[in-house]
Amino acid sequence: DAGITQSPRHKVTETGTPVTLRCHQTENHRYMYWYRQDPGHGLRLIHYSYGVKDTDKGEVSDGYSVSRSKTEDFLLTLESATSSQTSVYFCAISLTRGQNTEAFFGQGTRLTVV
Amino acid sequence: AQKITQTQPGMFVQEKEAVTLDCTYDTSDQSYGLFWYKQPSSGEMIFLIYQGSYDEQNATEGRYSLNFQKARKSANLVISASQLGDSAMYFCAMTGRSGGGADGLTFGKGTHLIIQP
Repeated sequence: DAGITQSPRHKVTETGTPVTLRCHQTENHRYMYWYRQDPGHGLRLIHYSYGVKDTDKGEVSDGYSVSRSKTEDFLLTLESATSSQTSVYFCAISLTRGQNTEAFFGQGTRLTVV
Repeated sequence: AQKITQTQPGMFVQEKEAVTLDCTYDTSDQSYGLFWYKQPSSGEMIFLIYQGSYDEQNATEGRYSLNFQKARKSANLVISASQLGDSAMYFCAMTGRSGGGADGLTFGKGTHLIIQP
């Protein structure tokens, strides 16, 4: 357990509304990530952060923005939700222990856009 | 660009048998890391094992081992003495920088493993 909490865990929203998902971590990890998981695609990287106010785009960033104003919080925003953004969203952190790298995930947020 | 290929969409295995889940990768990076995750039906992503590209020995974690063949670009997961609780989706993933993980993971599409009593 790397102390990662996602909120909300489930959300249903209407097309065109803004949505913000929150990822909170308690262990001061530098690197944080947002992924989405869809059937037939595995997990795909949306955005990531390597520090406060330092973020970058991943493979599927269109329609998403992120912010990281504090080390412990990484927010994912859908400015105007579309049905194609119905998915399960995972937040993750990565850390290095000696020669090993480990990456841990939050519990996931199931988002349905109707 | 990195790519992960998992060629087994689904597998049925008898309890107590050993299981090998296939993973091949493609990358132009000289330094990279390889991961395996388990996703049970409850949905959480559980980290199983990590292998760095410069590690000479195969990684092991309890019943899990990673059969790393660098020249073949393969990183197969071996589960010894399978148990009913091993039934889940398994994902292979890689990052471009061993020991850093700064640029996130690239995932395969997964293998659905079902252990039969």
